[in-house]
Amino acid sequence: DSGVTQTPKHLITATGQRVTLRCSPRSGDLSVYWYQQSLDQGLQFLIQYYNGEERAKGNILERFSAQQFPDLHSELNLSSLELGDSALYFCASSTLADPRGTIYFGEGSWLTVV
Amino acid sequence: AQKVTQAQTEISVVEKEDVTLDCVYETRDTTYYLFWYKQPPSGELVFLIRRNSFDEQNEISGRYSWNFQKSTSSFNFTITASQVVDSAVYFCALSEAISNNNAGNMLTFGGGTRLMVKP
Repeated sequence: DSGVTQTPKHLITATGQRVTLRCSPRSGDLSVYWYQQSLDQGLQFLIQYYNGEERAKGNILERFSAQQFPDLHSELNLSSLELGDSALYFCASSTLADPRGTIYFGEGSWLTVV
Repeated sequence: AQKVTQAQTEISVVEKEDVTLDCVYETRDTTYYLFWYKQPPSGELVFLIRRNSFDEQNEISGRYSWNFQKSTSSFNFTITASQVVDSAVYFCALSEAISNNNAGNMLTFGGGTRLMVKP
């Protein structure tokens, strides 16, 4: 158990809908990350927050947004969902914002868009 | 741009065999970090090890060992006396500082190697 908690574990939704994935980082970690794992793209970095502020952005679609709240939990919002958004979405956390911090991953949220 | 290549997409071994998973990386940074993660069939990503670019000492942890060679930009992972529970997808990853005023952290993953250990 990495200490990173993600909910929901599984989610099935229809195209065009909007979903929110939630993440609680490990105790004491200030940095939160979101990654997407799909069959065709592999593991892709989406976005990083550190202590409430966006720190780095990867290949995150405009239909996707994220935020980190004062209690350090984070949410990833996915809107206007398409079939291709079906993937395993990981949240991860680390103590530091920079590469000196080891990144620990949660168990992931399986999203299926039908 | 950084890149991680795991040329072996799938490896199948019989229990108790030794197996080495290859990882080759590309980076222009002099300071970087390398990782291995394990993804069992249940899906979670489990951290195994992290190495700094300035520390080329090999590491052993039980049946696991890692060989870091800067000269060949490789960070290979060996499982000795493999067991069925080792069956998983293994990912090698590279981390560089993101160049801006507030350094961030981004892992670049290889495509993964699926290891199947048969009884």
